[in-house]
Amino acid sequence: DSGVTQTPKHLITATGQRVTLRCSPRSGDLSVYWYQQSLDQGLQFLIQYYNGEERAKGNILERFSAQQFPDLHSELNLSSLELGDSALYFCASSVETGLYGYTFGSGTRLTVV
Amino acid sequence: GENVEQHPSTLSVQEGDSAVIKCTYSDSASNYFPWYKQELGKRPQLIIDIRSNVGEKKDQRIAVTLNKTAKHFSLHITETQPEDSAVYFCAASILTGGGNKLTFGTGTQLKVEL
Repeated sequence: DSGVTQTPKHLITATGQRVTLRCSPRSGDLSVYWYQQSLDQGLQFLIQYYNGEERAKGNILERFSAQQFPDLHSELNLSSLELGDSALYFCASSVETGLYGYTFGSGTRLTVV
Repeated sequence: GENVEQHPSTLSVQEGDSAVIKCTYSDSASNYFPWYKQELGKRPQLIIDIRSNVGEKKDQRIAVTLNKTAKHFSLHITETQPEDSAVYFCAASILTGGGNKLTFGTGTQLKVEL
């Protein structure tokens, strides 16, 4: 157990639907990052939050949005889902001072049918 | 922004041989370079990292070297074992207060054959 908790582990939904992925960072970590990993693809950075505020944005689609709540958990919302959105979505967290690399959760496997 | 290139994309070695994976980065301000190992269907796990004030770091059979001038860094695995088979990702970032955004390479599929 890495200490980063992601739910659900698996999600199957239909095209056009909306889903919410949840992430709880390790205790004490203020930064949360979301990555997308498609089949045979690397880790594509989506967005970073730090202590409730958006810190950096990557190649995140307009149909996707995220937020970090006061208790530091984060949610990634994916709407108007398309077949191409099927992927592993990883959340990671890091310590405030950035002394160490960050720790990934186990991921949510999203399948859009 | 930062761009990280990783080679090779696939690497097959015999058990007991060494494996080397190379990465280059574009942003000279990057100062933190971790390597992650990802087994099929699992989360990436940090296996070793190096900061820009160090040229080499070793942990048992794994070592990482960094050449800041050339902006490249490499992962070396010696005495490879079947359990080393996985996808390896390099990454680069600038460590700052508030966390750091890692830019990943495209990954290397390492296969250790018996």
